[in-house]
Amino acid sequence: GEDVEQSLFLSVREGDSSVINCTYTDSSSTYLYWYKQEPGAGLQLLTYIFSNMDMKQDQRLTVLLNKKDKHLSLRIADTQTGDSAIYFCAEIRADYKLSFGAGTTVTVRA
Amino acid sequence: DAGVTQSPTHLIKTRGQHVTLRCSPISGHKSVSWYQQVLGQGPQFIFQYYEKEERGRGNFPDRFSARQFPNYSSELNVNALLLGDSALYLCASSPGQGGGEKLFFGSGTQLSVL
Repeated sequence: GEDVEQSLFLSVREGDSSVINCTYTDSSSTYLYWYKQEPGAGLQLLTYIFSNMDMKQDQRLTVLLNKKDKHLSLRIADTQTGDSAIYFCAEIRADYKLSFGAGTTVTVRA
Repeated sequence: DAGVTQSPTHLIKTRGQHVTLRCSPISGHKSVSWYQQVLGQGPQFIFQYYEKEERGRGNFPDRFSARQFPNYSSELNVNALLLGDSALYLCASSPGQGGGEKLFFGSGTQLSVL
């Protein structure tokens, strides 16, 4: 099973903000990532944050990192129907492997 | 610029057969990694190759093998297929060995073992 943990499902109304949470395990992870996967597709890198940062903003995306609690979150502002997908949190290990969570399925309802 | 390309996109095999999956990294990228994604789960690391050498191996049996060619493309081979090998196999490339670089994924090969 995955060491990175995420909630499995999130339902959000179109136009609202989505917040996806993740806890990771390796305190030495240098980078943490958010990937998006749409049905039948591969993984799209959305954003990443270096471990010495607390926050990173990229257009509608905001990543918050609490290194003490090993907690990572992704906020999507003004959620649109095209944001419906599975979102994966991932940490990079010392041996350069990416360790993924099980994914959070985000459903955007009108 | 072309992204990471994988072939074939879909494949159906029977138990006991072997399979070869192919991956071409983004031009200029020297590292290729392979991941297995079983339905409903996150991707699991299988192998990483950098400059044609194996740099990392996940917790997979010896039936799984891979190699990287001088042009940095890669093949993943799976022998003696089992039903449990049915999954989406993802290839990812990065410019260097990793440790903080962006990892770009292909669309994957969907393998079904009957």
